[in-house]
Amino acid sequence: ELKVEQNPLFLSMQEGKNYTIYCNYSTTSDRLYWYRQDPGKSLESLFVLLSNGAVKQEGRLMASLDTKARLSTLHITAAVHDLSATYFCAAWNTGNQFYFGTGTSLTVIP
Amino acid sequence: GAVVSQHPSRVICKSGTSVKIECRSLDFQATTMFWYRQFPKKSLMLMATSNEGSKATYEQGVEKDKFLINHASLTLSTLTVTSAHPEDSSFYICSAAPGQPMKPFFGQGTRLTVV
Repeated sequence: ELKVEQNPLFLSMQEGKNYTIYCNYSTTSDRLYWYRQDPGKSLESLFVLLSNGAVKQEGRLMASLDTKARLSTLHITAAVHDLSATYFCAAWNTGNQFYFGTGTSLTVIP
Repeated sequence: GAVVSQHPSRVICKSGTSVKIECRSLDFQATTMFWYRQFPKKSLMLMATSNEGSKATYEQGVEKDKFLINHASLTLSTLTVTSAHPEDSSFYICSAAPGQPMKPFFGQGTRLTVV
């Protein structure tokens, strides 16, 4: 079974600061996804990373993928309160199954 | 983007009864759909992979007879929680992915409360 771990699990940061969330996965996967979940809601797709070295940016969020290190990062630049949510990474294995990371609960403090 | 619709969004049922949750892909065909369970403040746990026209593939530890999955058409998968108990209370989410490369889209989720 593909295992996906994120850290930190909880992140409290001040507005305007930068931070990075890390996502490690246990076996080969060349597709990595990032999602956002607001309380009581389903998941919103943020990024799909399909190849080694892929980097995608949307607003204050930037995601990257290193398939050799089995690592993806989600970088937050100059955080704002609206970014408060839980962020999940997920990896796709060769058996066409999709596994989620443990999640990172982000709180941005004014 | 693609739309996956899940129904109902909330359901309360009595212990011992069965509840059916529907997952529909509205604007694409999905030979494969996925069912997840999420406990409060926890990650999503893959329960099973639903395959159109064949039996679902269940993850280890998931009871097949309790969580019945039917994928009768290319746009509809159903999850039936049979003989529900309070410990089955959870948030259930389905997903489906159109085309290649796979980019799953998620339903709105179903909050099940068993009393």
